[in-house]
Amino acid sequence: AQSVTQLDSQVPVFEEAPVELRCNYSSSVSVYLFWYVQYPNQGLQLLLKYLSGSTLVKGINGFEAEFNKSQTSFHLRKPSVHISDTAEYFCAVSVSGNTGKLIFGQGTTLQVKP
Amino acid sequence: KAGVTQTPRYLIKTRGQQVTLSCSPISGHRSVSWYQQTPGQGLQFLFEYFSETQRNKGNFPGRFSGRQFSNSRSEMNVSTLELGDSALYLCASSLASGGAQEQFFGPGTRLTVL
Repeated sequence: AQSVTQLDSQVPVFEEAPVELRCNYSSSVSVYLFWYVQYPNQGLQLLLKYLSGSTLVKGINGFEAEFNKSQTSFHLRKPSVHISDTAEYFCAVSVSGNTGKLIFGQGTTLQVKP
Repeated sequence: KAGVTQTPRYLIKTRGQQVTLSCSPISGHRSVSWYQQTPGQGLQFLFEYFSETQRNKGNFPGRFSGRQFSNSRSEMNVSTLELGDSALYLCASSLASGGAQEQFFGPGTRLTVL
């Protein structure tokens, strides 16, 4: 079975500072990895995904993530955050095959302060 | 292109009643998945439908059911509502079924059970 652990439930950071949101996963098979963002009263929006190839993945809104197979991690980073990045962020995994079931972490609330 | 739409957006029911939620996927998308989001349990996979067939089911009681129509629209039904069913129910659509598919989420239906 697969599982996802987001190591921080809340991350406060000042505007224009860098941020890293941590995600570790557990799986006995190869997985695909995703980061989603959820703004208040909205659904989830895909930030980026790792399917294969380069382990450094760039996404929307200046976010990037690095897949580390040996450490089973997929941490999300942004070099300079804005107030508008305040939201909840979810790391998720899926497995290959003919099902799109996503397994999510518990989420990390990013609080950007002025 | 219109996004995923879910109706209704908000719903209030009492214990013991049943409820039906609707999801219209992005045009051309044939796979629809449903997720339950609660503060305590986070985001949990309910089920996935592709071409009117259930591809996968999460660990939920039989009171939770779903179906998909020939136009890919999907409904989920919860019978004999319990207080713990209060949640945000999210629908996601993708072009096809599979772990590598990008899923596009709707805004959700907020269900409150009194």
